[in-house]
This record gives sequence, C-alpha cells and structure tokens, in this order.
Amino acid sequence: TQLLEQSPQFLSIQEGENLTVYCNSSSVFSSLQWYRQEPGEGPVLLVTVVTGGEVKKLKRLTFQFGDARKDSSLHITAAQPGDTGLYLCAGGAFGNEKLTFGTGTRLTIIP
Amino acid sequence: DTEVTQTPKHLVMGMTNKKSLKCEQHMGHRAMYWYKQKAKKPPELMFVYSYEKLSINESVPSRFSPECPNSSLLNLHLHALQPEDSALYLCASSPRPEIGYTFGSGTRLTVV
Repeated sequence: TQLLEQSPQFLSIQEGENLTVYCNSSSVFSSLQWYRQEPGEGPVLLVTVVTGGEVKKLKRLTFQFGDARKDSSLHITAAQPGDTGLYLCAGGAFGNEKLTFGTGTRLTIIP
Repeated sequence: DTEVTQTPKHLVMGMTNKKSLKCEQHMGHRAMYWYKQKAKKPPELMFVYSYEKLSINESVPSRFSPECPNSSLLNLHLHALQPEDSALYLCASSPRPEIGYTFGSGTRLTVV
C-alpha cells in the first residue's frame, strides 16, 4: 500500500513569514501533485511535477520533487492570509487510475 | 469550459430517502471520479469511470450507486443512507490521473 505522509499536520504562522510543507513516501511515483482546498470547496490543482529533482515556481510558491521521486516539498515565501487552506499532495503512477493522497497540512496565516 | 459542475451544493436527506448527486464536465476528460471527504481528512476514492465504464469500486456499500450516462455526466444515486455517510462528496475528472484532477466544488450531504 502506497502512503504519503505530510508534515506538519497543522501550521499557523504570521503573515509575511516563510514556511515549508513536506510530503514523504517510501514508494516511487511517476508524478506528484499539490492541491489547495478551502473550506466547503473542492481541491484546486496548484502544480504537477514529473521529473526527479524538478523545481517549479508559482509566484510565491516553490515546489520540488525529490531526486528519487519519493518525496516533495512546498515552500511559501512571505505568506499571505489568502494562502490559508488545506494543502494536499497526491502521487500518481502511469497506468494507474488512482491517485494516492497525502494526509494533508492545514495552514493558517494570521494577519 | 474548464470546470467540473456539481449539483446540488447542499443536500439534507432522511435515512429512507432516495436522492441523486450530479456531476458534469465538458473538457473531454476520459476519466471521472467520485470521492468522499470527511471533515479535516483527505478525500477518499469511491468510484472511477474510464471511458464511461466503471473501472474501480473501492468496496463502497451498495447504498451508493454510480452511473455514467455519457462522457460528460456522472451521477451518484443515494438510497437508505446512514448518518455516518454525511460528508462532502467530490466529483473530479482527468485526461490522465498522473497529470492531475479537476475537482468540482462538492456536495455537502447531511443524513438525518
């Protein structure tokens, strides 16, 4: 069974601070996706990384896929209240209909 | 059109009721999914349809019955639900799951 553990589970920081969320597994994935979910809404895809060592930037968000394609990180610079939400990583495998979702990180940015 | 549309947004039903959740996408995605999400937990896969055929059923109780009338529509028929079935039900679609999903905004279901 593939598992994706996210850490930390909860994070509450002041506006303007930086933070990193981690997503770790003992399994290899073909791709790693990050989603953000706001209360009462569906998750929204932020990024997909597919190459080991790949780094993608989306404004203040930086995503990295581990060299061995077993882990990923999400770094947010100068966090803003709009970044508040549940962050989910999800691992995909070619030919597999299912994604493996991570355990989630609930982020709160305090104005 | 880059959205997945789910209706209704909220639903309250009694344990003897029959209701249906609806999901629609017009992105030409070949795969459609039903997920169940309890508060503060990640989504749990229920069903996968690929090219309008049921390809995965994650041992979901028979009181949940999926249906895919065509490549754009996905329904979830509900009957004799239990209070513990109360949750956010999410529909998603994807051209290939390793690329990523487009989720709908969900149906908040309360069983009384």
